[in-house]
Amino acid sequence: DTGVSQDPRHKITKRGQNVTFRCDPISEHNRLYWYRQTLGQGPEFLTYFQNEAQLEKSRLLSDRFSAERPKGSFSTLEIQRTEQGDSAMYLCATHSGGAGNEQFFGPGTRLTVL
Amino acid sequence: KNQVEQSPQSLIILEGKNCTLQCNYTVSPFSNLRWYKQDTGRGPVSLTIMTFSENTKSNGRYTATLDADTKQSSLHITASQLSDSASYICVVSPALGRQGNLIFGKGTKLSVKP
Repeated sequence: DTGVSQDPRHKITKRGQNVTFRCDPISEHNRLYWYRQTLGQGPEFLTYFQNEAQLEKSRLLSDRFSAERPKGSFSTLEIQRTEQGDSAMYLCATHSGGAGNEQFFGPGTRLTVL
Repeated sequence: KNQVEQSPQSLIILEGKNCTLQCNYTVSPFSNLRWYKQDTGRGPVSLTIMTFSENTKSNGRYTATLDADTKQSSLHITASQLSDSASYICVVSPALGRQGNLIFGKGTKLSVKP
């Protein structure tokens, strides 16, 4: 257990439905990242927050995706009008800042879009 | 383009045997190189982290080496155990650009058989 939690751990949904995932970081970590990982691939960067500010978004993050971190603590990732290609593991990672500091990953949310 | 390539893609070994996983990268300059272990359905967990000036780093039965001249790293696992079955991901952090940016390899899937 790294101290980063994600909820739910698994989500099965039908195409076209909206889904929302939550990440609770290690409390003193001000930086929070979202990644997407498909089978046999490494994680791909989606977006990152420093405190409540969303500082960068990947081109992978289409307009159907939105992420928030309203109080600089927990974060949510919402996918609207899900597509089968959205099926993946969604990982959250946090760290306290500094180039050499380790990112601690949560257990991930496995999304399956039918 | 910054890339991290890992080999082999997958590996099967018998319990108790040693193995070595390879990582080649083109990321330059970089600030550190990490090896993560990812159990199936879980988030990655850090094993080792090395700065560009370090040659080796050990964590129990895991030993990572780094040759910054040839841009190669390896992860050596000694006296493998069934619990070592997992994907091992090489991750490079560029020295330039967004802090916390990580370039992930696709991982090597290791299966340890009794």
